Amino acid sequence: EGQLVESGGDLVQPGESLRLSCAASGFTFGVYEMNWVRQAPGKGLEWISYIESGGGTTYYADSVKGRFTVSRDNAKDLLYLQMKSLRGEDTAVYYCARGRACSGGACFYDYWGQGTLVTVSS
Amino acid sequence: DIQMTQSPSTLSASVGDRVTITCRASRSISSWLAWYQQKSGKAPKLLIYKASTLESGVPSRFSGSGFDTEFTLTINSLQPDDFATYYCQQYSDYSRYTFGQGTKLEIK
Repeated sequence: EGQLVESGGDLVQPGESLRLSCAASGFTFGVYEMNWVRQAPGKGLEWISYIESGGGTTYYADSVKGRFTVSRDNAKDLLYLQMKSLRGEDTAVYYCARGRACSGGACFYDYWGQGTLVTVSS
Repeated sequence: DIQMTQSPSTLSASVGDRVTITCRASRSISSWLAWYQQKSGKAPKLLIYKASTLESGVPSRFSGSGFDTEFTLTINSLQPDDFATYYCQQYSDYSRYTFGQGTKLEIK
């Protein structure tokens, strides 16, 4: 049974940077596309980033494009989200999610981590 | 961007009821639709993909249907564990708006 565990969430000030990690286990991480999905407090789900299995192709939501960078280390079964120039509206629980049946960056998500909270506030 | 609209936003029902949640896409997504259940403070759980295929381990009281732009999630004989928020999600094209806004299923 696959498992994803996020870490790195914290309270940061506007304009600061933060890196999230997602550790995968129980499945062959390197053959799956991975995604980041976030959820602001009391709000719905928002897809923000995709990375293909080899790491060569990435996609971002317009809301984070140019500020966030997704990457992966298949040798260590780790997914990352580097976040820069953080804003108050980036406050959310960030989930990593395994993609299935992905095409052109669009997938459904069969395994999710428990989430890590990022709070951006002065 | 494809946008997804769920209705209703909130649904009150009793244990044993049959309920239906609707999801509409702003343009055709064929059958590329998934449904998720999310309980408070927890990660979403995949229920259905490709509009009507039940994920392994999901109870058969959950079913999905639809094609093109209109889809439904039906839960037969509601159980206490089913009271949660449900989201539809299109995977025809990647988008910030890939998820519907959610439907909160409450106990009447």
